[in-house]
Amino acid sequence: KNEVEQSPQNLTAQEGEFITINCSYSVGISALHWLQQHPGGGIVSLFMLSSGKKKHGRLIATINIQEKHSSLHITASHPRDSAVYICAVPQGAQKLVFGQGTRLTINP
Amino acid sequence: NAGVTQTPKFQVLKTGQSMTLQCAQDMNHEYMSWYRQDPGMGLRLIHYSVGAGITDQGEVPNGYNVSRSTTEDFPLRLLSAAPSQTSVYFCASSYDRALEPQHFGDGTRLSIL
Repeated sequence: KNEVEQSPQNLTAQEGEFITINCSYSVGISALHWLQQHPGGGIVSLFMLSSGKKKHGRLIATINIQEKHSSLHITASHPRDSAVYICAVPQGAQKLVFGQGTRLTINP
Repeated sequence: NAGVTQTPKFQVLKTGQSMTLQCAQDMNHEYMSWYRQDPGMGLRLIHYSVGAGITDQGEVPNGYNVSRSTTEDFPLRLLSAAPSQTSVYFCASSYDRALEPQHFGDGTRLSIL
């Protein structure tokens, strides 16, 4: 089974700070998902990446397949970015294994 | 475009009762899955389906049944509810398989007394 570890588990920052959330996994993969879960509970897919870097607005995701590590960065953080961020990796082609999530709180 | 629709949003059951959590998607996705989310733990896969008539077990399948008679619907049945099944349940779908971007329902918060 692919074990997924996220760090930190909780992160509190001030508005405007640069945020980094890390995800490490134990078994080689072909792609990795980053998801966002808002306080209301809904989960949305942010990124799916297999190499290099992807950017969407103020969110940037990077992955290093050889080192089995991915990071999610948020530039110019805002209170509306407060959410739980989750990474997930495939176990085979049909199953996903999820990290425990990182709870991010951005204070104004 | 409704996406993935889960019903009900909240439910309270007594131990031993049975119920069905509904999940429907209107995106013609082949892959559908059910997860449970418990405090301090990541989402855990209960069952999944790669197409109509095909289902398989995930990480925590005991106490749950599924069926996939149509592409659109993937209901999750609790046969005899137990307090350990108190959780938030999410249904998800994707075009083809777990390697595609996942679309999640809003979740069902289930309490077993």
